[in-house]
Amino acid sequence: RKEVEQDPGPFNVPEGATVAFNCTYSNSASQSFFWYRQDCRKEPKLLMSVYSSGNEDGRFTAQLNRASQYISLLIRDSKLSDSATYLCVVSLLDTGRRALTFGSGTRLQVQP
Amino acid sequence: EAGVTQFPSHSVIEKGQTVTLRCDPISGHDNLYWYRRVMGKEIKFLLHFVKESKQDESGMPNNRFLAERTGGTYSTLKVQPAELEDSGVYFCASSHMTSPNTGELFFGEGSRLTVL
Repeated sequence: RKEVEQDPGPFNVPEGATVAFNCTYSNSASQSFFWYRQDCRKEPKLLMSVYSSGNEDGRFTAQLNRASQYISLLIRDSKLSDSATYLCVVSLLDTGRRALTFGSGTRLQVQP
Repeated sequence: EAGVTQFPSHSVIEKGQTVTLRCDPISGHDNLYWYRRVMGKEIKFLLHFVKESKQDESGMPNNRFLAERTGGTYSTLKVQPAELEDSGVYFCASSHMTSPNTGELFFGEGSRLTVL
């Protein structure tokens, strides 16, 4: 079983739509959670951290459910520029190990 | 400020040959990571340097891979001898010593390795 599971998509949505991505992680010792964004043939870039209380950054809302080991990302009013692969990322943060564990990504295509 | 730079951007070699990938982290970043993505799979951790010391190399697939970070500045990742399954994109990332746990790693654009 993968440590971080995501629906690969693609999600094809029209401009202005609301779209939600989900992710589950297997290691209950995971401490930190993030969404990264990766454009085609480019490097991953941090989109936002995810907190248990839920957090929002403009059109983006992230949510974490520790009990279910589930993370979500909601994008409202989708723009063409939101087209990318969204990577769900977790970190164990135990002593000395600060590596990030990536999901394989969910591809989003926003259409005009 | 310059970002993380990697060289070469693409390398095509034959099975059995050697390749050395280079990463220049953001100036002042003590943490340096190597990750790779093989075709159709997720990005996977290879190893982590703190300055010149290997903090965690649990992700290195086998002893054909050797990473160094002399002087705690740039890093190299050598694959010798290369095998077909080593093909993929090798990403380098760096972060401040004070922010490794915030998840904000700054990635380079990657070195694409193709082994024929």
